[in-house]
Amino acid sequence: EIVMTQSPATLSVSPGERATLSCRASQSISSNLAWYQQKPGQAPRLLIEGASTRATGIPARFSGSGSGTEFTLTISSLQSEDFAVYYCQHYDDWTFGQGTTVEIK
Amino acid sequence: QVQLVQSGAEVKKPGASVKVACKASGYTFTAYHMHWVRQAPGQGLEWMGRINPNIGGTNFAQKFEGRVTMTRDTSISTAYMELNSLKFDDTAVYYCAREVIEARFYDYWGQGTLVTVSS
Repeated sequence: EIVMTQSPATLSVSPGERATLSCRASQSISSNLAWYQQKPGQAPRLLIEGASTRATGIPARFSGSGSGTEFTLTISSLQSEDFAVYYCQHYDDWTFGQGTTVEIK
Repeated sequence: QVQLVQSGAEVKKPGASVKVACKASGYTFTAYHMHWVRQAPGQGLEWMGRINPNIGGTNFAQKFEGRVTMTRDTSISTAYMELNSLKFDDTAVYYCAREVIEARFYDYWGQGTLVTVSS
């Protein structure tokens, strides 16, 4: 079983700053990685698929990169609506990372 | 527009079963696999399994094998997840999610159904 590890667990960022979230796979998963955003009381929302392709309607400030075992989600300039929990998912076996909470600094 | 609408919250006793419904609309129900993902209070997302609504075939996470059943009724475009022998730590929000064809990630999610296991 492939284990997905996200870091950090919590990221404190000021509005307008850049946020960088990491996701590591225990073995190579090529680019079969998605990122989801979840706000309190809501279902997750797809942000990125194929490690770097933004989903429909996702703002350009969200970008994904990486392949193999190391992946990054970058939010270039945090807006108030971006404070949420972010999950990566290896979608060959649908394993999720444990999530990174992006909170207001 | 695509919508996945789930059944309402449930309260069950330990050892009981719960069946959650996910009604799909706005697309061809049998063309997309449907997954079930759960989230315990304050915790992360956990994949439970999926069903191919066209043929009824299923795949489950090993953790839930033997305790979960996934079915569908194509006449009403509805998928079901039934979890048996409920334990306190099955208390969670259960989501259905549509898998993008031949891509394996999810593009639409249901609103979630809270299942509370309490004596």
